[in-house]
Amino acid sequence: DAGVTQSPTHLIKTRGQQVTLRCSPISGHKSVSWYQQVLGQGPQFIFQYYEKEERGRGNFPDRFSARQFPNYSSELNVNALLLGDSALYLCASSFGGMNTEAFFGQGTRLTVV
Amino acid sequence: GESVGLHLPTLSVQEGDNSIINCAYSNSASDYFIWYKQESGKGPQFIIDIRSNMDKRQGQRVTVLLNKTVKHLSLQIAATQPGDSAVYFCAENINTGFQKLVFGTGTRLLVSP
Repeated sequence: DAGVTQSPTHLIKTRGQQVTLRCSPISGHKSVSWYQQVLGQGPQFIFQYYEKEERGRGNFPDRFSARQFPNYSSELNVNALLLGDSALYLCASSFGGMNTEAFFGQGTRLTVV
Repeated sequence: GESVGLHLPTLSVQEGDNSIINCAYSNSASDYFIWYKQESGKGPQFIIDIRSNMDKRQGQRVTVLLNKTVKHLSLQIAATQPGDSAVYFCAENINTGFQKLVFGTGTRLLVSP
């Protein structure tokens, strides 16, 4: 049974560029959340999507946006990349309730140079 | 692989010992908690969860204890194995109307053969 899949696994971008990261949740899960993990810290919440609607947003600038598709997969977009956006971007999949198990993918390592 | 946390609190144990990893959470309104294991270069792996109406929950070789009075969680790992070496995070779901996991700083567990 496939877990949460993310693509690409690694990415190198230049400052000012835009990037799109992709996530496919576990089959049957309707919620996808995105987290940013910088080196040495725990993951920080960016967005939660459920049934294609944004349910919540963390303390990130408007350069960060996301969407969820009818098949529940999701994309995270980051515009005007800064060096500080270099991090591991994680996608978490769940059934959607507040107090339900959340399972993470392996992440996309984004390096901005 | 890349190191998850370079300056984390570290717990060093011998193979076969029992390990206890502690976590202080921030919000007295949090009602759901998850422990994750993160190996170098990988996403967080779900270990065990507990809801706020419980004090203790057991899984395979792991036990989570919740003390709401002092806002403290612990993860006990029985008969620790070298494969348990990783960074461990506790995460609390702050009751905001959607699932937003807030992660602790993490503890690195090193298991010597």
